[in-house]
Order: sequence, then C-alpha cells, then structure tokens
Amino acid sequence: EVQLVESGGGLVQPGGSLRLSCAASGFTFSGYWMHWVRQTPGKGLVWVSHINSDGSRTNYADSVKGRFTISRDNAKNTLYLQMNSLRAEDTAVYYCARGFEYWGQGTLVTVSS
Amino acid sequence: DVVMTQSPLSLPVTLGQPASISCRSSQSLVDSDGNTYLNWFQQRPGQSPRRLIYRVSNRDSGVPDRFSGSGSGTDFTLKISRVEAEDVGVYYCMQGTHWPPWTFGQGTKVEIK
Repeated sequence: EVQLVESGGGLVQPGGSLRLSCAASGFTFSGYWMHWVRQTPGKGLVWVSHINSDGSRTNYADSVKGRFTISRDNAKNTLYLQMNSLRAEDTAVYYCARGFEYWGQGTLVTVSS
Repeated sequence: DVVMTQSPLSLPVTLGQPASISCRSSQSLVDSDGNTYLNWFQQRPGQSPRRLIYRVSNRDSGVPDRFSGSGSGTDFTLKISRVEAEDVGVYYCMQGTHWPPWTFGQGTKVEIK
C-alpha cells in the first residue's frame, strides 16, 4: 500500500525557516517524480514544487522561488521541502504527492508573530 | 501560465440526480506526445485530495463508474451520473501539459440540496 506521511509543520515567525519531510513507503520511491502542493485554509490547491526521480531536476512556483528548496533522499525514501524567509502568505496545509496519483495527509504550516 | 477555469463554483444537487462540472483551459492541453494531461480530483471535507480521472477520461483504481471525464483541447467535463451522499466535497481540475507550473482550477463545491 502506498503511503506518504508528511511531518515538520508548525508555527513559525515571519522570516523564519522550517523543513518539511514526507516519508514514503509501499512503492519504489526512487522511480517517481514527487511534488509539494499547498492549500490555504478554506481555499484551493496550489502547486509549489516538483523534483524528478533522481533529484537532478527541480521546479518551483514563482511565489516560492529563491526561498524554498525541494530535495529527496532515495536511500531514506524521503522527500523534503526546506522553507526559508517564510511569510504570512505561506500559511497553508502542505501535501506531498507522488505524481498527483497519491497524496499524503498534509502538514499545517502557520507563519505568524 | 495556463489558467484553469471551472464552472459552476457551487453545485447543489439532489441525491440520485446527475451532476456536471466544466473546466476550461486558457490554451490547448494537447501535448506534443499526443496526450492530453487533464486530471480531476475530489476532496471530501477534512480529507486530502484524491485523483479520480487522469488524461481526460481514465478512471483511477477504485473510482466508481458513476464518475466520467470527457473533453478535448480546452474544454473538459466531469460528470457524476447519479450523485450519492459520499460525493459531497470540492472537485478540482488540473493540467499537467504545460509545466511548470502545474495549475489547478478554483474548485467546485458539490453539496446535497
């Protein structure tokens, strides 16, 4: 069974940093593109970042480019999102997704003073 | 960026009756490989998104056959042949042809009358 479990969310002050993790199981992690998608409470889905299967290619939404870094450790079956210079508008539930077919349960990031 | 526009944004339906959601893209979603990368997702209250349909009309595993997708080019439709109580939630279309970014529609909230 495919499982994606996010962790690392929480409350952080504006300008602060957080690292999200997504632990994958039930499939060959190294064979799949992975994404981060976020959802502001009560609002729609917004794609944040993508990484290819070996980590050599990444893409970012303009709103996070230069502040967020996606990475993966295929030996640990884990996806990461390093978030720096956080802003209030980054407050959202962050989901990891395997090619958009499978999604985790999400982790809430709240940026507030 | 490709803009995805859904209508209606709210859809009250009677149990057992059909429902239809429209999704239009700002440019054709036909890829150079001949495929059209248009997905539909369901998000039930308090849950993560779940992919229902990929490449316009292909149902994911476990998706009831009352859900169907159709369309081409820039106009796409998700139909529910007979709405059941468990179908309540928000439905999103998403394009994966012209990336980055991958872009979602605003969402259509399906509720029971």
